[in-house]
Amino acid sequence: GEDVEQSLFLSVREGDSSVINCTYTDSSSTYLYWYKQEPGAGLQLLTYIFSNMDMKQDQRLTVLLNKKDKHLSLRIADTQTGDSAIYFCAESRATDKLIFGTGTRLQVFP
Amino acid sequence: NAGVTQTPKFQVLKTGQSMTLQCAQDMNHEYMSWYRQDPGMGLRLIHYSVGAGITDQGEVPNGYNVSRSTTEDFPLRLLSAAPSQTSVYFCASSSRGQGKNEQYFGPGTRLTVT
Repeated sequence: GEDVEQSLFLSVREGDSSVINCTYTDSSSTYLYWYKQEPGAGLQLLTYIFSNMDMKQDQRLTVLLNKKDKHLSLRIADTQTGDSAIYFCAESRATDKLIFGTGTRLQVFP
Repeated sequence: NAGVTQTPKFQVLKTGQSMTLQCAQDMNHEYMSWYRQDPGMGLRLIHYSVGAGITDQGEVPNGYNVSRSTTEDFPLRLLSAAPSQTSVYFCASSSRGQGKNEQYFGPGTRLTVT
């Protein structure tokens, strides 16, 4: 099927790490992406990983990819209140289309 | 660079009315697309274009038309608005290459159909 699946909600305390998970279906996906959407705004690309990589780190963000299980995760270290948003994973298919997950709403509390 | 711009930001339509959502980008991107965002359903692709003069259907194309006469503009037309088209609409653009599709999104148009 076409589904990219994510859990709907995640709540973490400020300063803790957040881990947002995603499962995808197409083993031929070349790139996988994480986007952030703040309230009332469009989507902003956070990071992406090429399918032949296992891990990518970018400051507080760590992306892990398990191709065998078609599982992607985004870890945010030292989560801040400004990280509260909806996070979408997306996979890039050979047809140039991006297929998005349903989004995970991250809530950071003090 | 303004990036991806969308107008209007908000719109209320009556059932049966038609309108055009505007989208423009100044990054010389080949690829442009329209999505709708509904609660609990993520983003669903409506139509997309891989270059001027070329358009194709996405996941939920019914009730919408697009055209791509220039690289910069990709308008979305609602032919006869229905309450089911109440949604937030996002336009995105990207440059293509080696399977990478790093999309830049506009701020969205919030449409209500009564």
